Amino acid sequence: GAGVSQSPSNKVTEKGKDVELRCDPISGHTALYWYRQSLGQGLEFLIYFQGNSAPDKSGLPSDRFSAERTGGSVSTLTIQRTQQEDSAVYLCASSLVVRLAGVGNEQFFGPGTRLTVL
Amino acid sequence: LAKTTQPISMDSYEGQEVNITCSHNNIATNDYITWYQQFPSQGPRFIIQGYKTKVTNEVASLFIPADRKSSTLSLPRVSLSDTAVYYCLVGPLTGANNLFFGTGTRLTVIP
Repeated sequence: GAGVSQSPSNKVTEKGKDVELRCDPISGHTALYWYRQSLGQGLEFLIYFQGNSAPDKSGLPSDRFSAERTGGSVSTLTIQRTQQEDSAVYLCASSLVVRLAGVGNEQFFGPGTRLTVL
Repeated sequence: LAKTTQPISMDSYEGQEVNITCSHNNIATNDYITWYQQFPSQGPRFIIQGYKTKVTNEVASLFIPADRKSSTLSLPRVSLSDTAVYYCLVGPLTGANNLFFGTGTRLTVIP
């Protein structure tokens, strides 16, 4: 596809269940980002991938959160034993890695996955 | 501790120029300043990026003083469709760890 896609678009789950959120970045984009946005709030950075590596996982809220990326493409964000406070929109973005300001290194965001934990 | 600070909201009439300022007192040498626009139920969209002085593109201008502790996004002649939340982002171009979006400024354009 032409843009970043995420699935599912909506996910309703019960407290304590595990969920997997998927992100398909733009083809050729080496950098991939996950953010979380609670209702009416700003974006909270979770994790960043360069290729398949995540140099810094300190943004993940707890050890119930994990993420992986395979083949330098698709990424999965997994939340184990979901809690009600995990309810939010989870946004994925991808970008080229270009060392020139304003030249192609902007992040392109997907539509997000709205997670509701009952 | 938030890395950037922006006004929570602003109102403007159609056709006016709007200036939104972001404070980033702890900006690092390697950090660039990027602004994004977000409409309801959509992901943010890139507007403009800069390091110092002034940057202009077809939709906005970005003014950055010499000390780089703040930046101002300028939107010329806003229309109703510019009603959105605007985020100031400070971080390196590469190895993009610890990307901090600001609280965002909710701009409402009034007819």
